[in-house]
Amino acid sequence: DTGVSQDPRHKITKRGQNVTFRCDPISEHNRLYWYRQTLGQGPEFLTYFQNEAQLEKSRLLSDRFSAERPKGSFSTLEIQRTEQGDSAMYLCASSPRDRGNSPLHFGNGTRLTVT
Amino acid sequence: TQLLEQSPQFLSIQEGENLTVYCNSSSVFSSLQWYRQEPGEGPVLLVTVVTGGEVKKLKRLTFQFGDARKDSSLHITAAQPGDTGLYLCAGVAPINDYKLSFGAGTTVTVRA
Repeated sequence: DTGVSQDPRHKITKRGQNVTFRCDPISEHNRLYWYRQTLGQGPEFLTYFQNEAQLEKSRLLSDRFSAERPKGSFSTLEIQRTEQGDSAMYLCASSPRDRGNSPLHFGNGTRLTVT
Repeated sequence: TQLLEQSPQFLSIQEGENLTVYCNSSSVFSSLQWYRQEPGEGPVLLVTVVTGGEVKKLKRLTFQFGDARKDSSLHITAAQPGDTGLYLCAGVAPINDYKLSFGAGTTVTVRA
């Protein structure tokens, strides 16, 4: 178990540019989540995959955001035409499917700064 | 808006003192989890509570789930500098068992 891995750890981009983040979950975990966290706040739910199916998207996820999980393994989160308000820590987490109260295993996040 | 309200927002205490962090909601949760997060890292699970009235102990940490499953508390006895961090509670609603909703967290600083 190597844990959840996220890449890159930090990303600085100019407003209007596109960015893509990658998440590699724990290999046997079916569920994969993306959360966003800003300073002084807890993580906010963005989207959820069960295997390769994206089953829920938060209203926080505008049309500029898209997430994929091809083949039910790693996932990518793309933000198009970035805005300064997109600056945040983007956290990926995975969990096994066996129970609803299974804990989430988080990666160390990608910190995005939009200038 | 976050369904779970945590208090206090910040807490600074001296090493050896006790502290309690609260997590409250008007909603019922099928389970509630506590995480600790350190700067630059993701949250790490401390405990899951499932049954109303449940009390769990993890060394110097005591977690309680309210009888109505709407609130929880975390009590730390004889706090140490290593307990410093952001403490987050997170709940699973009965209607969608896959989704964890977090409170805003309590930042705890333990001074040596």
